[in-house]
Amino acid sequence: ETGVTQTPRHLVMGMTNKKSLKCEQHLGHNAMYWYKQSAKKPLELMFVYSLEERVENNSVPSRFSPECPNSSHLFLHLHTLQPEDSALYLCASSHGTSVGELFFGEGSRLTVL
Amino acid sequence: GIQVEQSPPDLILQEGANSTLRCNFSDSVNNLQWFHQNPWGQLINLFYIPSGTKQNGRLSATTVATERYSLLYISSSQTTDSGVYFCAVDYGQNFVFGPGTRLSVLP
Repeated sequence: ETGVTQTPRHLVMGMTNKKSLKCEQHLGHNAMYWYKQSAKKPLELMFVYSLEERVENNSVPSRFSPECPNSSHLFLHLHTLQPEDSALYLCASSHGTSVGELFFGEGSRLTVL
Repeated sequence: GIQVEQSPPDLILQEGANSTLRCNFSDSVNNLQWFHQNPWGQLINLFYIPSGTKQNGRLSATTVATERYSLLYISSSQTTDSGVYFCAVDYGQNFVFGPGTRLSVLP
């Protein structure tokens, strides 16, 4: 138990569906992150939020839409995805950007049919 | 941007053997972490080590920041050590990950 919880753990969706991934951290951190891990590729940073404000958007397609309503919760809204978006999506948190250790959730494995 | 390299890319060990994994980075960094990704995908924190040496049981890590590398030592390996080991450097406002070392420990 790392203090970062992701739901759902597994998700299968069609290309026309709309779904959301949820992340919650119980560590009192101020920064939250979404990473994508595709097969045989390094972890790719998608988004960074600090104190609920987006500070980095790493050229992610608009079919991925993040939302950070407060410093404990982070969502990734998914719509009209492509099969190549199938991957493990990992949420993480830290005290601040460039401050402190990074802690990860268990990941949400997404399959797009 | 910064480049993070890890070696070797793959490693197969017999249970009980020792190993050393290496992480090189191309620029000064604020910090460095080592993670173990288990077969279910979760990234487990191993070390948060900007410089110096730390030990935790059979694992230890050394970072030489001035020479831009870090080493992870695994002694008396066990089958449960199998998985992918990542180093990540704290650079700017985010963490940049290396490509990982895939370790397989055979019984």
